[in-house]
Amino acid sequence: QVQLQESGPGLVKPSQTLSLTCTVSGGSISSGGYYWTWIRQHPGKGLEYIGYIYYSGSTYYNPSLKSRVTISVDMAKNQFSLKLSSATAADTAVYYCARDRGTLMDGYYYGMDVWGQGTTVTVSS
Amino acid sequence: EIVLTQSPGTLSLSPGERATLSCRASQSVSSTYLAWYQQKPGQAPRLLIYGASRRATGIPDRFSGSGSGTDFTLTISRLEPEDFAVYYCQQYGSSPLFTFGPGTKVDIK
Repeated sequence: QVQLQESGPGLVKPSQTLSLTCTVSGGSISSGGYYWTWIRQHPGKGLEYIGYIYYSGSTYYNPSLKSRVTISVDMAKNQFSLKLSSATAADTAVYYCARDRGTLMDGYYYGMDVWGQGTTVTVSS
Repeated sequence: EIVLTQSPGTLSLSPGERATLSCRASQSVSSTYLAWYQQKPGQAPRLLIYGASRRATGIPDRFSGSGSGTDFTLTISRLEPEDFAVYYCQQYGSSPLFTFGPGTKVDIK
């Protein structure tokens, strides 16, 4: 059973880069077939999609964050990472990594079926 | 840019009652590209429904989804105590590629 675990600093200073890692266990990113995803949730608010990376290295970023976001993958460590530059207090949130099955041959989008527990990041001096 | 609107914002019901949650899109969404998630306090979201009407693995059959075009519905036929949570709809495919609705909170009356 695939499990995801986020890790990284819980406190980031304004203007610095927020960096998080998601470790995948019970399955291999390199086997393909899934989109490895980051989502965040501001305190008391709804879910905001950040972006994904496919095992091939192809990425998609939310246009609203695209200029500041980089998602990368380390297949040797079975991890994928998020970097969000020029952090501000508005980036304070719970950050989730998730596995997205994407769209299969039957034309259905299968959704985000595995999630990490989430990690809280506060941007403050 | 597509926007998802969920109503009501909060639904106050008693265990055993039927819950009907609405998700409306600002433009047409393929019904095969609409998902629903449940989130309980302090937990990550959980996939309930994909393809507008298909239950994800392990989801009880009291949860059902329907709809097409711009109007989608999540129905919980008989609320169990563990169903009181926030529910989000999510679309894939329109710009931006992934969008969540603001959520509907189902709380105990």
